[in-house]
Amino acid sequence: DAGVTQSPTHLIKTRGQQVTLRCSPKSGHDTVSWYQQALGQGPQFIFQYYEEEERQRGNFPDRFSGHQFPNYSSELNVNALLLGDSALYLCASSFPTGDTEAFFGQGTRLTVV
Amino acid sequence: GENVEQHPSTLSVQEGDSAVIKCTYSDSASNYFPWYKQELGKGPQLIIDIRSNVGEKKDQRIAVTLNKTAKHFSLHITETQPEDSAVYFCAASKGNQFYFGTGTSLTVIP
Repeated sequence: DAGVTQSPTHLIKTRGQQVTLRCSPKSGHDTVSWYQQALGQGPQFIFQYYEEEERQRGNFPDRFSGHQFPNYSSELNVNALLLGDSALYLCASSFPTGDTEAFFGQGTRLTVV
Repeated sequence: GENVEQHPSTLSVQEGDSAVIKCTYSDSASNYFPWYKQELGKGPQLIIDIRSNVGEKKDQRIAVTLNKTAKHFSLHITETQPEDSAVYFCAASKGNQFYFGTGTSLTVIP
């Protein structure tokens, strides 16, 4: 079992550009959540995908969007990048029920310059 | 929404001693409380969790307690080892959304 895999591991973008991050969930999981972790902080919930639809969303602007594919993998897109978007972006996979374990990938370190 | 507070932010212990990290949450509807360990350059790793219908859970050197009335839960690590050094996060879950604390940087001194 490969666990949750994310790509790329590191990325440098220029302010105003767009970025796409990718995530493959743990085998057997069908729910994918995305989190943003600023340096020295806990992860902040961006949104969650289940059955190819956004099911829940945190307090993030519309510049943050996502997609889930039929094989349960997911993408996070961020448009019009700001310096403040620099962070570690984490993907977590789980089953769709509420009180269940979520397993995280190693994250994508995004730096906006 | 939910607000999770975590203390202390840093903790240093001698190898073999115990470490305790405490968290409080605000929303009584939260029903699942995982703890994650995050090493430098890695994603958070689930180390133990507890559900709202349980008061205590133990797994070898790690234990978690939950007081639903007071809305607080704690992580206890006994017989600490240098490899326990990392940042630890608590979280509270309502629905499928996790709310994380701000983390505790634990250093175990050999």
